[in-house]
Amino acid sequence: EIVLTQSPATLSLSPGERATLSCRASQSVSSYLAWYQQKPGQAPRLLIYDGSSRATGIPDRFSGSGSGTDFSLIISSLEPEDFAVYYCQHRNNWRDPITFGQGTRLEIK
Amino acid sequence: EVQLVQSGAEVKKPGESLKISCQGSGYTFTKYWIGWVRQMPGKGLEWMGIIYPSDSDTYYSPSFQGQVTISADKSTNTAYMQWSSLKASDTAIYYCARHVVVTAAFDLWGQGTLVTVSS
Repeated sequence: EIVLTQSPATLSLSPGERATLSCRASQSVSSYLAWYQQKPGQAPRLLIYDGSSRATGIPDRFSGSGSGTDFSLIISSLEPEDFAVYYCQHRNNWRDPITFGQGTRLEIK
Repeated sequence: EVQLVQSGAEVKKPGESLKISCQGSGYTFTKYWIGWVRQMPGKGLEWMGIIYPSDSDTYYSPSFQGQVTISADKSTNTAYMQWSSLKASDTAIYYCARHVVVTAAFDLWGQGTLVTVSS
């Protein structure tokens, strides 16, 4: 089973700064890599799918990149509402297990 | 409106059984897989299993195989997860989410069901 490791566990930044969140897979994966945002008391929300495609309604300050084992979620200029927990997720094909990373907490510095 | 609506919070005692639900609306329910995700207090997301409501084809995470049962009723556009004997460690928020095979992502989430198991 593929393991997804996110880093850092916590990222402290100020509004307006650029955030780079990392997701590393234990072995090379296809581009089926998604990113989610979860705010306190809310369900997760899909941000990015297929490694770099923004989901419907997601602002363009959010972008995804990467291939092989290393993927990144970049928030170009942080807005106050972006401070939340972010998870990466992968599934190789429709019969494989689905895995989530352990999450990165993005907090206001 | 496209949405998944989950059943309300539950408080149960250890050893009791429970069935929670997730009803889809605003889209063709039988054309998408529905997954279940656990979030224990203060912790991350864990995938539990997934079902295709059209034919009830179901896959479980090895971590949850035998611990829960996932089912679906396509006549009511509803997916279910049930426990036969709850444990205190089952205390968590449980989310259902629509899974899109071509992207392997969950693009629509229910609001979550809080299950509290305590004596």
